[in-house]
Amino acid sequence: AQSVTQLDSQVPVFEEAPVELRCNYSSSVSVYLFWYVQYPNQGLQLLLKYLSGSTLVKGINGFEAEFNKSQTSFHLRKPSVHISDTAEYFCAVILTNAGNNRKLIWGLGTSLAVNP
Amino acid sequence: NAGVTQTPKFQVLKTGQSMTLQCAQDMNHNSMYWYRQDPGMGLRLIYYSASEGTTDKGEVPNGYNVSRLNKREFSLRLESAAPSQTSVYFCASSNNLRQGGSPLHFGNGTRLTVT
Repeated sequence: AQSVTQLDSQVPVFEEAPVELRCNYSSSVSVYLFWYVQYPNQGLQLLLKYLSGSTLVKGINGFEAEFNKSQTSFHLRKPSVHISDTAEYFCAVILTNAGNNRKLIWGLGTSLAVNP
Repeated sequence: NAGVTQTPKFQVLKTGQSMTLQCAQDMNHNSMYWYRQDPGMGLRLIYYSASEGTTDKGEVPNGYNVSRLNKREFSLRLESAAPSQTSVYFCASSNNLRQGGSPLHFGNGTRLTVT
């Protein structure tokens, strides 16, 4: 079955430390990959996306992610986090199967808590 | 530029009552979606509209109906609310579902409680 797995449901980290939020997806003919951020009591906002080209993509707020086709992963990283990065982060993938049917699948989210 | 606007922001219903959640986007997007978000369950697609004039069921359509009123507006109706429908509801839009690769733009949500 098609799936997206965010390996950590909660990630606590101290301010100014680096962070990696992990996302793996089931194998597919082709993929489009997204990371979204949800601040408390708000909707989701796009952080970054990979459609094609360079496997390292940069997004807003200093975040970046690397598409690794062989490991079917799209991990999100930031070298130094701020208190304001405390939020829920969602990985989303548009998977295309052999029949050329596309489906958007969401991970369950990772709650990032940045502590002073 | 407001993006995606949802009304109301909060609502409390009694079991059996009905209500309509409104959503409008001003980005000239073709595709619109309704999701519900519940703790530990992520986002689940209720209904979507790939283009004006079409609507399709998502993962959890039971108990809901939708109307794509025009290109801008996509409403979600609960005919007879149940406590299991207590959730946060998000409307989203994207340029074109069929092309793939279009990111979603979300509203700020409607927090619904059914007692």
